[in-house]
Amino acid sequence: EPEVTQTPSHQVTQMGQEVILRCVPISNHLYFYWYRQILGQKVEFLVSFYNNEISEKSEIFDDQFSVERPDGSNFTLKIRSTKLEDSAMYFCASSGPDRDEQYFGPGTRLTVT
Amino acid sequence: DQQVKQNSPSLSVQEGRISILNCDYTNSMFDYFLWYKKYPAEGPTFLISISSIKDKNEDGRFTVFLNKSAKHLSLHIVPSQPGDSAVYFCAASGAPYNTDKLIFGTGTRLQVFP
Repeated sequence: EPEVTQTPSHQVTQMGQEVILRCVPISNHLYFYWYRQILGQKVEFLVSFYNNEISEKSEIFDDQFSVERPDGSNFTLKIRSTKLEDSAMYFCASSGPDRDEQYFGPGTRLTVT
Repeated sequence: DQQVKQNSPSLSVQEGRISILNCDYTNSMFDYFLWYKKYPAEGPTFLISISSIKDKNEDGRFTVFLNKSAKHLSLHIVPSQPGDSAVYFCAASGAPYNTDKLIFGTGTRLQVFP
């Protein structure tokens, strides 16, 4: 069964450093998303991406964040200068042409020290 | 932002019995509702969904009921099994006609005991 994959599973970085989180969405999906979950809190929407551009972003997704689909399979989230409060689980998701069911990857745990 | 609420943080059910998980929402623009199951250190796993034009959707042991006038949905699991023990999240979106970003509830931890 097709699934969304994410790498790395765990990333530790120092405050101020850049990180890139990688995702491979389900191959015939067209819509891509990033969400995050800070420990003990809700899963929160960050950004949606379609046709090589951002469709929607939340207020969390400020200038420090960017997304890219560098080739036909990968979808990346870059945080330019990490802050302590960026520590969270980051989930990638994708959905098909109906934009209904979103399928999530296993997540990347980002720890900023 | 409490657009989607799951008021029961936990639920304990005996194996073989019915589990009922509840979810309330406030935004009448939501058109699509989903239930996800999540184990620790894993991503949410899609379980079942329902469009706002329906009031029930069934898939095996899982049934979702939607009451639009009450802005309430519920997930029924019958019969419950120990492997169902996980955190269950309700989520809502405006898809397919509006925003497709998912708004999640806070989750209900279900424990199914033998």
